[in-house]
Amino acid sequence: EPEVTQTPSHQVTQMGQEVILRCVPISNHLYFYWYRQILGQKVEFLVSFYNNEISEKSEIFDDQFSVERPDGSNFTLKIRSTKLEDSAMYFCASRRELAGGKDTQYFGPGTRLTVL
Amino acid sequence: AQSVTQLDSHVSVSEGTPVLLRCNYSSSYSPSLFWYVQHPNKGLQLLLKYTSAATLVKGINGFEAEFKKSETSFHLTKPSAHMSDAAEYFCVVSDSSGGGADGLTFGKGTHLIIQP
Repeated sequence: EPEVTQTPSHQVTQMGQEVILRCVPISNHLYFYWYRQILGQKVEFLVSFYNNEISEKSEIFDDQFSVERPDGSNFTLKIRSTKLEDSAMYFCASRRELAGGKDTQYFGPGTRLTVL
Repeated sequence: AQSVTQLDSHVSVSEGTPVLLRCNYSSSYSPSLFWYVQHPNKGLQLLLKYTSAATLVKGINGFEAEFKKSETSFHLTKPSAHMSDAAEYFCVVSDSSGGGADGLTFGKGTHLIIQP
């Protein structure tokens, strides 16, 4: 069964450094998402991406964040200058486009980002 | 705007007894509703979803949920708990009724504990 994959599983970085989190969505999916889950808190939507551009972003997704689909398979989240409060589990998700928007988002296993 | 309230942060049941995880939602449109499960150090797995078809939805591992519009509820149930059900459960709503790319809105989660 196809699944969303994410690398690395755990990333440790120093405050102020740039990090890139990578995701490979399911191959025939057209919508892509990033979410984050700060330890002990709920999962929060960051951004959605369709047709090579951002479709929607939350207020969390400020200028420090960017997303890119550099080739036909990868979907990346870049944090330019990490802060302590960026420490979280980051989930990638994808979904196939289905008429009426009722299809499911499939999640990857997550990348745990630790900012020191 | 959409929101989800999971009424219990923790639920503890004995193995073999019924499980009830409560969820209420608010949505401006006809919502899609989901339950995801997260086992320790794992990603988010879809248990079941409601997308305006049958109001009683059956999912994996014996779980089911009933959509009650009058009560704005989508409670998750299972007749007999198993030790492997111990996990975090998230009720999720999507207002994406028109095929848009809206992100999902998560509840805060319910931690299910199974007593032997």
